Amino acid sequence: DSGVTQTPKHLITATGQRVTLRCSPRSGDLSVYWYQQSLDQGLQFLIQYYNGEERAKGNILERFSAQQFPDLHSELNLSSLELGDSALYFCASSPRTSGRSTETQYFGPGTRLLVL
Amino acid sequence: GENVEQHPSTLSVQEGDSAVIKCTYSDSASNYFPWYKQELGKGPQLIIDIRSNVGEKKDQRIAVTLNKTAKHFSLHITETQPEDSAVYFCAAIYGSSNTGKLIFGQGTTLQVKP
Repeated sequence: DSGVTQTPKHLITATGQRVTLRCSPRSGDLSVYWYQQSLDQGLQFLIQYYNGEERAKGNILERFSAQQFPDLHSELNLSSLELGDSALYFCASSPRTSGRSTETQYFGPGTRLLVL
Repeated sequence: GENVEQHPSTLSVQEGDSAVIKCTYSDSASNYFPWYKQELGKGPQLIIDIRSNVGEKKDQRIAVTLNKTAKHFSLHITETQPEDSAVYFCAAIYGSSNTGKLIFGQGTTLQVKP
């Protein structure tokens, strides 16, 4: 158990809908990362937040957005869902107390999204 | 571009044999290289990592080597056991020093046959 929690574990929805995935980082971790894992694209970085502020962005679609709240939990919002958005979505966290980029990222168990 | 190449994509070994997985990266500024193990239905779990100020790191049966000049790094598992069977991912950190963007390899499915 990494200490990172994600809800829900599974999500089934229809095309065009909007969903929210939630992540609670390890106690004390300030940075939260979101990754998407699909069969054809592998594990891809979406976005990073540090203490409530966006720090880095990957190839995240405009239909996707995220935020980190004052209690440090994070939410990933996916809207106008398409069949191709079906994937595993992972959240990771790291301490980032020093500002360095070489801290270990601990992954949560993921949310499996199926768009029908 | 931001790229990590990982080989082989599948690897089958007999229990007790060694397994080696290799990765190459493209950004010479990358300075952190973790390896993750992912079991079915679970999230990636860090098994070992190496920073660019060292060339080798070992943890029991697992070792990682880094060649910064050639921009490649490798995972070595000795005395493999059936419970080592999983998908292994290498990764490299990309971006500025303030970010933690990990770029992952395509993964290696390791099967250890009893």
